[in-house]
Amino acid sequence: SQQGEEDPQALSIQEGENATMNCSYKTSINNLQWYRQNSGRGLVHLILIRSNEREKHSGRLRVTLDTSKKSSSLLITASRAADTASYFCASSSNAGGTSYGKLTFGQGTILTVHP
Amino acid sequence: DAGVTQSPTHLIKTRGQQVTLRCSPKSGHDTVSWYQQALGQGPQFIFQYYEEEERQRGNFPDRFSGHQFPNYSSELNVNALLLGDSALYLCASSLTGGYNQPQHFGDGTRLSIL
Repeated sequence: SQQGEEDPQALSIQEGENATMNCSYKTSINNLQWYRQNSGRGLVHLILIRSNEREKHSGRLRVTLDTSKKSSSLLITASRAADTASYFCASSSNAGGTSYGKLTFGQGTILTVHP
Repeated sequence: DAGVTQSPTHLIKTRGQQVTLRCSPKSGHDTVSWYQQALGQGPQFIFQYYEEEERQRGNFPDRFSGHQFPNYSSELNVNALLLGDSALYLCASSLTGGYNQPQHFGDGTRLSIL
């Protein structure tokens, strides 16, 4: 079963606009990661934020983490048509005392950026 | 520097058959995880291999088994295929110590069961 839930399920914007995607998870975590998937391809790692971090930046990406609310958000600024893809959050849980990096994914947000 | 490679890219099988999927990890990586992604869903963790042993397993039946070789490459075997096994199977590799490491994914094997 999917631990995470993502919101919205689909997002359609114009080039140059910002895109915000939200993710919720259920158990305590070591870290939360965001991945991008182009149609029919594998997942590309975007950013990893550890449980003791609150915000992280990478280029046009900004990720926040609120462990008290068990939620995270991904902001893509100045979007481009090439950003069109599915975006997934994935949590690495430390529940149960043993964690080897198993990722639990949300169902993803489909982002469409119109030129 | 080669990334994660998977073979074959596509596979068509019939119910009841058996299938083997293969994965070579990114150079320098020693841990391999397998995920199943049904159409329109996020990936679901099947299991992880490290030092040639299954280290962690998700909620998948024993029909799903795997192997890791001394060169860190890995195989996923599925027996007695069901229609519901149709999915994209993704392999991911990472460095030892796992849990605060990003995972690097291959492009997957698309398995279709007729």
